[in-house]
Amino acid sequence: DADVTQTPRNRITKTGKRIMLECSQTKGHDRMYWYRQDPGLGLRLIYYSFDVKDINKGEISDGYSVSRQAQAKFSLSLESAIPNQTALYFCATASRGPEQFFGPGTRLTVL
Amino acid sequence: GESVGLHLPTLSVQEGDNSIINCAYSNSASDYFIWYKQESGKGPQFIIDIRSNMDKRQGQRVTVLLNKTVKHLSLQIAATQPGDSAVYFCAETTNDYKLSFGAGTTVTVRA
Repeated sequence: DADVTQTPRNRITKTGKRIMLECSQTKGHDRMYWYRQDPGLGLRLIYYSFDVKDINKGEISDGYSVSRQAQAKFSLSLESAIPNQTALYFCATASRGPEQFFGPGTRLTVL
Repeated sequence: GESVGLHLPTLSVQEGDNSIINCAYSNSASDYFIWYKQESGKGPQFIIDIRSNMDKRQGQRVTVLLNKTVKHLSLQIAATQPGDSAVYFCAETTNDYKLSFGAGTTVTVRA
C-alpha cells in the first residue's frame, strides 16, 4: 500500500551494528505496528503504538526498540544486530477496527 | 499456548475452480478473524474479516466461514484466477487489536 512506506527496502549489515528501519504513513492512522516475518512462518508482532505517547511490547520485543516520532512515523531499531534477526520486517497502520494496512516490507540480512 | 494455524501449507488449484483455504484457531476469546493475501515481494493485503458473532460473510468472489464449535475458519475463493496465486494468512484478534497470524497457505493457480 503506497500510503505506508518503509525505508530502506533492503539492507545488509554486520553483526553488532546498529540499524534503524523507518516507517511513514499518510493515512492519518493512530495505531502503528512492527512485525517480523520469517520463512514459512506468519508475522509476529514486535512492538505497537496506539498514539504518539503510547508504546507497547509485542510477543518478540527482545533485541528491538522503537520510537514514535510523530503520528505518521514509527521507527524500529536493532541496537546490536545479530544473524537470527535476519528477516522481513513489516510496518502496519490501523484506524478503527481490526483491519491493518501493511507497508511493502524491509528485507534485512545480518551477516 | 494459543495460536492460529492453517491446515495445509500449499494448495494447487485449477484456474476457474473454487479454492478453499482452512485455518484452525484455539483462542475462543477472539473477537475478529481476518484473512490476508500476500503476493511475492509485497506486504499482506486485507481480504475480508468476520466478527466472532457471525458464521458467514461474503465479499467479492470470497466467502469466509466461521465455525466456533470446532474453532475452524475457512476462506473460499470462487472461480480462482491466476492473480489469486499468493500466500494466504488467517489472523485473529481480541479487542486490543493485536493480530496473531497463522503460518500461511501458498496457493498456486494452474492454467
